[in-house]
Amino acid sequence: AQSVTQLGSHVSVSEGALVLLRCNYSSSVPPYLFWYVQYPNQGLQLLLKYTTGATLVKGINGFEAEFKKSETSFHLTKPSAHMSDAAEYFCAVTLNSGYSTLTFGKGTMLLVSP
Amino acid sequence: DAGVTQSPTHLIKTRGQHVTLRCSPISGHKSVSWYQQVLGQGPQFIFQYYEKEERGRGNFPDRFSARQFPNYSSELNVNALLLGDSALYLCASSLDHRERFGELFFGEGSRLTVL
Repeated sequence: AQSVTQLGSHVSVSEGALVLLRCNYSSSVPPYLFWYVQYPNQGLQLLLKYTTGATLVKGINGFEAEFKKSETSFHLTKPSAHMSDAAEYFCAVTLNSGYSTLTFGKGTMLLVSP
Repeated sequence: DAGVTQSPTHLIKTRGQHVTLRCSPISGHKSVSWYQQVLGQGPQFIFQYYEKEERGRGNFPDRFSARQFPNYSSELNVNALLLGDSALYLCASSLDHRERFGELFFGEGSRLTVL
């Protein structure tokens, strides 16, 4: 079985500041990890994903995440926040073997102030 | 190209009623998954269908059922509605039923309110 924990239901940053959204996972086998973003009244959109290979993954809109197996973490970062980044972000995990669906975290709402 | 479309976008039902939600996947996608997103929570997996066969079922009661049609569109049915069924129901399509290999494309959801 797999699970995801997102630390902080809300994160507030100023425009131009560093964005750091935390995600820790639990998995019995090597995981595949994802970050999705949900804008108000919209469905989820894939930001980036880690499958195998390079542990630093770059996604859309300037976001990136680093897979750290020793820390069981997959934190999402962006060097400089923009007002348009305000949204809810979900970390998700699936297993790297057999049949497995996505297990999502509870989400982190990112608030960006001018 | 059209994305994943869901209908209706909003609906209100009363306890004990039945609801049918509909989803049309992206053209060429053969896999459809349904997720329930309760306010303040992440999406929770309900069903996955691939090539018209159920490939996975989440931890939901038998009141929840689904099917996929020959054109790969899908319906989610919920019987005997409870207040706790109030949620955003998300449909997602993908090329491959093995989600680790592909990207899920989500619709905007159907928001169900049960009174």
